[in-house]
Amino acid sequence: QQQVRQSPQSLTVWEGGTTVLTCSYEDSTFNYFPWYQQFPGEGPALLISILSVSDKKEDGRFTTFFNKREKKLSLHIIDSQPGDSATYFCAASKGTGNTGKLIFGLGTTLQVQP
Amino acid sequence: DPKIIQKPKYLVAVTGSEKILICEQYLGHNAMYWYRQSAKKPLEFMFSYSYQKLMDNQTASSRFQPQSSKKNHLDLQITALKPDDSATYFCASSQTGGRDAEQFFGPGTRLTVL
Repeated sequence: QQQVRQSPQSLTVWEGGTTVLTCSYEDSTFNYFPWYQQFPGEGPALLISILSVSDKKEDGRFTTFFNKREKKLSLHIIDSQPGDSATYFCAASKGTGNTGKLIFGLGTTLQVQP
Repeated sequence: DPKIIQKPKYLVAVTGSEKILICEQYLGHNAMYWYRQSAKKPLEFMFSYSYQKLMDNQTASSRFQPQSSKKNHLDLQITALKPDDSATYFCASSQTGGRDAEQFFGPGTRLTVL
């Protein structure tokens, strides 16, 4: 059973639009949530991350929101650009006894049309 | 200059053979990891090391053996290769191990087992 679920599986938006990607999880002991961006043939690149003590974190055009009660998070990309076309992964890790293990979702493939 | 080097970029092996995947990081990090990415599956955590000591092993098979000869090296030896081992293997590193240590990924080694 998938511990971290992402939706949608794929998404197309127009240049300049706002992209919204969502992620949900079951394990309430997860408390660190990074988002990664991956281009074909490359490794995942850390985009933004949030701890469960926060509900929002912003970095330029990228904002992640966290809802602890609903066990959901989202990634918003404003003014989406063709260069943002990539696969986006959310991940989660636990607090106590953590060994650095990140649990990833299946990813959302984003295409930004000019 | 690349901060995490993985060699080779592509690797083709025959069933039953043994291969070593190389990873070196030049970020000055103390923790290193291996993940595997297969088609239709999420990125899967394999191992984590901190200060050259094994922290976590989530790999069921002993055919996968990490080797840390230096602080900034974490190679992955795979023996008795099977077609199911075909995947892209990513090395990652972080300043420290633990919950919210930001992990940076290398470009990956794509392994094909025939």
